[in-house]
This record gives sequence, C-alpha cells and structure tokens, in this order.
Amino acid sequence: DIQMTQSPSSLSASVGDRVSITCRASQSIGTYLNWYQQKPGKAPKLLIRAASSLQSGVPSGFSGSGSGTEFTLTIRSLQPEDFATYYCQQSYSPPYTFGQGTKLEIK
Amino acid sequence: QVQLMQSGAEVKKAGASVKVSCKASGYIFTNYYMHWVRQAPGQGLEWMGVINSSGGTTTYAQKFQGRVTMTRDTSTSTAYMELSSLRSEDTAVYYCARGEEHAFDIWGQGTMVTVSS
Repeated sequence: DIQMTQSPSSLSASVGDRVSITCRASQSIGTYLNWYQQKPGKAPKLLIRAASSLQSGVPSGFSGSGSGTEFTLTIRSLQPEDFATYYCQQSYSPPYTFGQGTKLEIK
Repeated sequence: QVQLMQSGAEVKKAGASVKVSCKASGYIFTNYYMHWVRQAPGQGLEWMGVINSSGGTTTYAQKFQGRVTMTRDTSTSTAYMELSSLRSEDTAVYYCARGEEHAFDIWGQGTMVTVSS
C-alpha cells in the first residue's frame, strides 16, 4: 500500500497568514494527489484534484503543487472559514490512502 | 442538484452486520464509480472500496476483504455497503463518495454506525 504522510499534524495560524501543508507519498504517484477540507461533523470537501487543479467553486486562495512523491497545499491568506482539518489522498492505485490529516487552528 | 443521501444512524451488536445505503440524485448514476470511506471517532479517513455503478464490479481494501460487500441498484440509483462480523473497532461514520476523474467530488452526509458489545 502507498503510505501518505502529512506535515505538520497541526498548525496554529492567524487570519491573513499564508500557510502551507506538505504531503509525502511512499512511492511516486505522478500527480494523482487530491486535497480535501473537513470541518467538524461534516463530510470532507474536495479542494484540489490532480495535485494542482482547483475544484469548481473553491476560492482561488487555495493552490496545490508537486508531483512524484512531494506535494504542497498552500492557502494564500487565511480566512476564518479556512480553519479545519486538511487531508491529502493518493488516487494512483487502490487502496486510495489518505494522509493522517493536518488540523489548522486559529492562533 | 447533485447529491448523495445516506441512510440513518445504526446501532449494532458485535458480530452482527450493517447495511448502509447511498441514494444518488441529480446526475446519471451509472456514469460514475461510488467509493466508501469511513472515519472512526477523532480519527482520519480510511478508504474501504469502490463499486462500478454501471457494471457492478468491485475493488475492496484488503483490510475489509471477506467482510464487506458493495452492491448497487441502478433502478433506484442507490449504492449499498454491507459490513459483517462487526466489532467495536468498526464504530465509525461511513461515507459514500462519487468518484470523478480520480477524485471524490461529491460526498454523502455520513452514516454513524455504533457497535456495542
């Protein structure tokens, strides 16, 4: 199975800050990497697909980059509604594993 | 609009089975795969498997092989996930999610399954 490792596991930041979350795959997955946002008690929401393609309706302040084994999710200027948990996921081969999550909290 | 509506919360005894439904609307059901993902309390997301909504073929995570069965009814645009031999570690929220271009773009609201001993 492909292991996905996110860092950091948690992050404190302020409104307006720029933050980045890293996701590493245990083997090369090309650009078969997705990012999801999850708020408490809610289902995950797709933000970024194929490493860098912004899902329709997602604010342009979110961006993704990377290929192979290292990927980054960047939030350009944190808004109050962005405080949530973020997961990466590989869709290269089943089982389609997720990272352990990064909890983004208000400082 | 496009949505997935899941069945309600379940409480089961250890050793029993549970069957969760996921009714799709707003799109052509057979044009998309349906994935199942679970999340134990306070934990991360775990992919369980996928069903081809058109042909009915399935791929399961090895962890669940032999215990999980995914089916679909194209006449009602509904996907099902049945998990048997339940144990306490299966207590989780179970989600269905539409597979579209290698990503999960639409998710159900989740179904809480509680397993008691």
